[in-house]
Order: sequence, then C-alpha cells, then structure tokens
Amino acid sequence: DQQVKQNSPSLSVQEGRISILNCDYTNSMFDYFLWYKKYPAEGPTFLISISSIKDKNEDGRFTVFLNKSAKHLSLHIVPSQPGDSAVYFCAASLKGGSQGNLIFGKGTKLSVKP
Amino acid sequence: DTGVSQNPRHKITKRGQNVTFRCDPISEHNRLYWYRQTLGQGPEFLTYFQNEAQLEKSRLLSDRFSAERPKGSFSTLEIQRTEQGDSAMYLCASSSPQWPDTQYFGPGTRLTVL
Repeated sequence: DQQVKQNSPSLSVQEGRISILNCDYTNSMFDYFLWYKKYPAEGPTFLISISSIKDKNEDGRFTVFLNKSAKHLSLHIVPSQPGDSAVYFCAASLKGGSQGNLIFGKGTKLSVKP
Repeated sequence: DTGVSQNPRHKITKRGQNVTFRCDPISEHNRLYWYRQTLGQGPEFLTYFQNEAQLEKSRLLSDRFSAERPKGSFSTLEIQRTEQGDSAMYLCASSSPQWPDTQYFGPGTRLTVL
C-alpha cells in the first residue's frame, strides 16, 4: 500500500511558465515533507522541504504548499527553465525525520521545453 | 563542501557472487541511510545507522544483505550470493542530528547482476 503517491508520471511545460507537481499521502502522522530532484544516473538532490506546522515554504523559484486536511502537497516552479527537466520525488517522514526512513512517491518526470 | 560519496559508481557481477559497496557521509552527519531504487520507482528504505548503531532495518533487507558502520563514519553494504533481482541503484544518504532531519544523497552505485 503506497503511503505517498504521485499520480502524474510525467508533465510537460513551456519554458517561462509555471510547473506544478502534485503529491498525496495517506498517513496523517507524517509531519515533514521533502521534494527531491533527480537526473539520470545521479542520486536525488534535495530541493525544498516543509514541516506540517506550516502551509507554505518558499525558496527562490520553488514553493511548496501543504494542505493537511486534504493530505496533499504541491511543488510550484516559477518560472520553469529547461535545466529543471528531471524526475521530481516527493518524500515524507515521521517525527521530523527522527524515525529514520523517508517514504518516497514514484516520481514525476518534468520536461521543460524551450 | 564535500557531499556524500559512494564507491564504486557501477558494478557488474555474475549471479552468485558477493559485492560490497562503500558510502562516505558528509563529515558532521551522524545518521546514515541506505536505499534501493529500481526503474520507475522511488527510493526504498533499506537500513539506517545513528553513529555506529544500526537502528532500523526494512523487510526488504533479506539475510543476504548486511550493512556495517564500524566507527560511525563510513558504511559498507554487502550483498552475498547476488541474484538478478538485486540489480538496482543503491543510494546512500546522510543527515545531521538536527530537527527536522533532511537527508542528503550520494550519487549511488548502479549494480547489474548478470
């Protein structure tokens, strides 16, 4: 049973427009959420995170929104650039990560076209 | 700033052979994690160390797998009697003992079992 779901396997966006990547989770005990970006043959790179006590966190072009009642989070990239083309993973953890493991979704492949 | 490093980057082996991978975490990080990623999936947790203590092991970690972190610094992951189903990307991550716990990943070791 998947606890973290990314229902869109792929997303294509024009350069300069907004990219919105979505993630749903089922475990209401998750309290820390992270987004990672992954290029082929490389490890995931940390992008941005959000604690469950917040509903928004912003870092440059990246903003993560958390809707606890809907158990949904989203990553907004504005403006999108061709270098953003990668696979994006949503991950969740318990007790701020002190429980150890992250639970990942299956990823969404973002393609940003010039 | 040196990130997480992993060696080797690629390993091709024949079924039934033993393989060992090494992970060097970010120097001030006391937590170290191993994950496995197969095609089309997100990383899946295998095991986790805090200093030299192995605190959690996933059910994915069969008894052919063993991980060590003898001095609380680098870690090794050994797979004995490899099977074709072990072919995957093996990822290592580390984190500091701060809340919340953000994990930073290495480049991974790609294992191919023939």
